[in-house]
Amino acid sequence: GAVVSQHPSWVICKSGTSVKIECRSLDFQATTMFWYRQFPKQSLMLMATSNEGSKATYEQGVEKDKFLINHASLTLSTLTVTSAHPEDSSFYICSARDARGTNTQYFGPGTRLTVL
Amino acid sequence: DQQVKQNSPSLSVQEGRISILNCDYTNSMFDYFLWYKKYPAEGPTFLISISSIKDKNEDGRFTVFLNKSAKHLSLHIVPSQPGDSAVYFCAATTSGTYKYIFGTGTRLKVLA
Repeated sequence: GAVVSQHPSWVICKSGTSVKIECRSLDFQATTMFWYRQFPKQSLMLMATSNEGSKATYEQGVEKDKFLINHASLTLSTLTVTSAHPEDSSFYICSARDARGTNTQYFGPGTRLTVL
Repeated sequence: DQQVKQNSPSLSVQEGRISILNCDYTNSMFDYFLWYKKYPAEGPTFLISISSIKDKNEDGRFTVFLNKSAKHLSLHIVPSQPGDSAVYFCAATTSGTYKYIFGTGTRLKVLA
């Protein structure tokens, strides 16, 4: 149980294009989903918290107009990197918290974004 | 301001011996702590957690110890196996926020 998937697992795009990453909880309903990014040899940094049916809450320093988050259902959240630039290249990871209220987040396998 | 720190970036242990990974935190509001294991280019995998009302939690080969007065937690893996080789992150959160603060990670290498 508690499986979270992400799609795509990797993507290469040209500078200026937009990229959408999907995060799905496969066997549970997720009231809250989280989006992280990880630079090489660094820790996971929380970008935003996504609650189903409401606007995402962004961490300080994260541009909400650049990283659009939509949490349309209890099993799906999407992150769209708009007008991507090379500095947006990173490993993006989502996690989901079970709607039954546990304090444990379950993570997706991550998406490697490379912007040329 | 790094609220959660893992001061050892790497650790090597012989197979069969104990691995001890350490984590320190500064925020006294944290009341729930977790350990995750991560392989390169994969998402973290949940290992074990502990609430601040406890000082120890055990699950198979993994035991987490919490010392609230010292704001310190540790993960013990006994016996260590080569498959345990990965990066281990500790995370801390405050109930109700559900936001995790991750440590910087410790790369564990278990030598056969």
